[in-house]
Amino acid sequence: AQRVTQPEKLLSVFKGAPVELKCNYSYSGSPELFWYVQYSRQRLQLLLRHISRESIKGFTADLNKGETSFHLKKPFAQEEDSAMYYCALRMDSSYKLIFGSGTRLLVRP
Amino acid sequence: DAGVIQSPRHEVTEMGQEVTLRCKPISGHNSLFWYRQTMMRGLELLIYFNNNVPIDDSGMPEDRFSAKMPNASFSTLKIQPSEPRDSAVYFCASTLISGTATSYEQYFGPGTRLTVT
Repeated sequence: AQRVTQPEKLLSVFKGAPVELKCNYSYSGSPELFWYVQYSRQRLQLLLRHISRESIKGFTADLNKGETSFHLKKPFAQEEDSAMYYCALRMDSSYKLIFGSGTRLLVRP
Repeated sequence: DAGVIQSPRHEVTEMGQEVTLRCKPISGHNSLFWYRQTMMRGLELLIYFNNNVPIDDSGMPEDRFSAKMPNASFSTLKIQPSEPRDSAVYFCASTLISGTATSYEQYFGPGTRLTVT
């Protein structure tokens, strides 16, 4: 079955340190991958998607089909990056998104 | 646009009671999704509609859960009877599915925090 795995429930780093939030998926077709973010007291919102190949708020993510991964990276974490991050998969035959269980990122001063 | 609107924002009810959650999607969007968020399982899709028609309800936990979308601007998620294990945050999201122009970005509401005692 299709699945998105985020192995870390909590990732704690210091300000200025690099951060990598891991995401692996299982799907044999052509996936579309997304990262959504939920800041404290705010709505869940799209951060970035793999087809855009852009950097948002300093974050990037590259789809690696060989490793079926879509890890989210930022070279220098900021305190305002503290939030809940969800990786999501869309199968090429569907409108729906399959979300991972989420990773809470805590950036300490 | 106020975005996706959900009501109530918080609901506390006793086990066995009926609970109705409401959602108003963004005007012009034709697809609506109901999710449940818990600490243990993260964000799970319960059901989604396209043009007011339920497309996939495979995530609905059991017969106690039902969802309707009587028109393009309103949807309900009903739990009857409610149980303590239904306690969670329920999100509604909407998007526009329109052929090759579809972005598949979902816009989420603020959520309804449900507590069943």
